[in-house]
Amino acid sequence: NAGVTQTPKFQVLKTGQSMTLQCAQDMNHEYMSWYRQDPGMGLRLIHYSVGAGITDQGEVPNGYNVSRLKKQNFLLGLESAAPSQTSVYFCASSYSVEGADTQYFGPGTRLTVL
Amino acid sequence: GQNIDQPTEMTATEGAIVQINCTYQTSGFNGLFWYQQHAGEAPTFLSYNVLDGLEEKGRFSSFLSRSKGYSYLLLKELQMKDSASYLCAALDSNYQLIWGAGTKLIIKP
Repeated sequence: NAGVTQTPKFQVLKTGQSMTLQCAQDMNHEYMSWYRQDPGMGLRLIHYSVGAGITDQGEVPNGYNVSRLKKQNFLLGLESAAPSQTSVYFCASSYSVEGADTQYFGPGTRLTVL
Repeated sequence: GQNIDQPTEMTATEGAIVQINCTYQTSGFNGLFWYQQHAGEAPTFLSYNVLDGLEEKGRFSSFLSRSKGYSYLLLKELQMKDSASYLCAALDSNYQLIWGAGTKLIIKP
């Protein structure tokens, strides 16, 4: 049981480049989400999904898109990277679609945009 | 607006007890979580409170007062491995988690 996995673990981009962060979970969870974590700030929700093919915006969605074609995978895309998107990105999943259950986090992706 | 407040940093001594406070203001309330996050790692679940009172789980306890919008995490018999950030998060009426910035706990021998 791998839990929640994320790839890549580290990434350096130049301004304007695009990339996709990948997240996979093997716990049959319905609810998945993407957060960013910046120094001195709480985790901020980017996008979330309550099931395959269903996604919605969180607190800070601008500059990001998501895709959830299969229940176990949730992808986060950066269309045109900007230095303000330098951050640590965490994917999380939980049993409940309402998010009231424990969130299980992936190990994170450390992204630097130059 | 919605807001979570917790101290930025606390220092305690190995073997002692420390209490980390959290106050919250949210649109509705469906419970409060505490997570532990070691440096460079992912947050991991510690506790969930939805009713007033104290929940004890080994060396860790969590308290909630809904009327005061207040919670605390109590850590007893501190160990060096407890050095980490402790994140408070409240679940609002839309079942969205509102996260605090975290409290960095430094344990000294």
